[in-house]
Amino acid sequence: EIVLTQSPGTLSLSPGERATLSCRASQSVSSSYLAWYQQKPGQAPRLLIYGASSRATGIPDRFSGSGSGTDFTLTISRLEPEDFAVYYCQQYGSSRFTFGPGTKVDIK
Amino acid sequence: EVQLVQSGAEVKKPGESLKISCKGSGYSFTSYWIGWVRQMPGKGLEWMGIIYPGDSDTRYSPSFQGQVTISADKSISTAYLQWSSLKASDTAMYYCVRFATSSGSFDYWGQGTLVTVSS
Repeated sequence: EIVLTQSPGTLSLSPGERATLSCRASQSVSSSYLAWYQQKPGQAPRLLIYGASSRATGIPDRFSGSGSGTDFTLTISRLEPEDFAVYYCQQYGSSRFTFGPGTKVDIK
Repeated sequence: EVQLVQSGAEVKKPGESLKISCKGSGYSFTSYWIGWVRQMPGKGLEWMGIIYPGDSDTRYSPSFQGQVTISADKSISTAYLQWSSLKASDTAMYYCVRFATSSGSFDYWGQGTLVTVSS
């Protein structure tokens, strides 16, 4: 089973700052099958990025994804107040799915 | 508009059985896999299993194999997650999700069903 590790566990930033979140896989992941989700308190997660770098419908362009192989990154170029949340990466392969443990982005 | 609407919150005792539901609308229900994701209180997301309503092909995470049963009734566009004997450790929020095969991602999520198991 592919294990995903996310860092940092918590990222404390101010609105307007840039956020860089990391997702590392225990073995190579197909870039086609690496996704990122945002979850706010009391809400279901929502898809932000699929295929490592494609934004889902309605996602603002301040969100971007990159990476390949075992190292992937989610970047939020300028944090808006509504972006403070928990972010999860997820991979799919061999009919199995795994999520990373999440990175919490909170207000500094 | 694609929607996944889940059944309401449940409070059960250990040892009881339970079946929760997820009704899809706004798309061809038989053409997309539907999965279930667990989130224990204050914790992360765990994939439990997935079903293809078109032919009921089902896959389980090894962590949940034998612990739950996933099924679907395509005639009413509804997927189910069931337990035969609940434990306190089953207390969690459960989300149904639509799997987009081309992207390997869960593109739509239900609102979640909170299951509380307590004596």
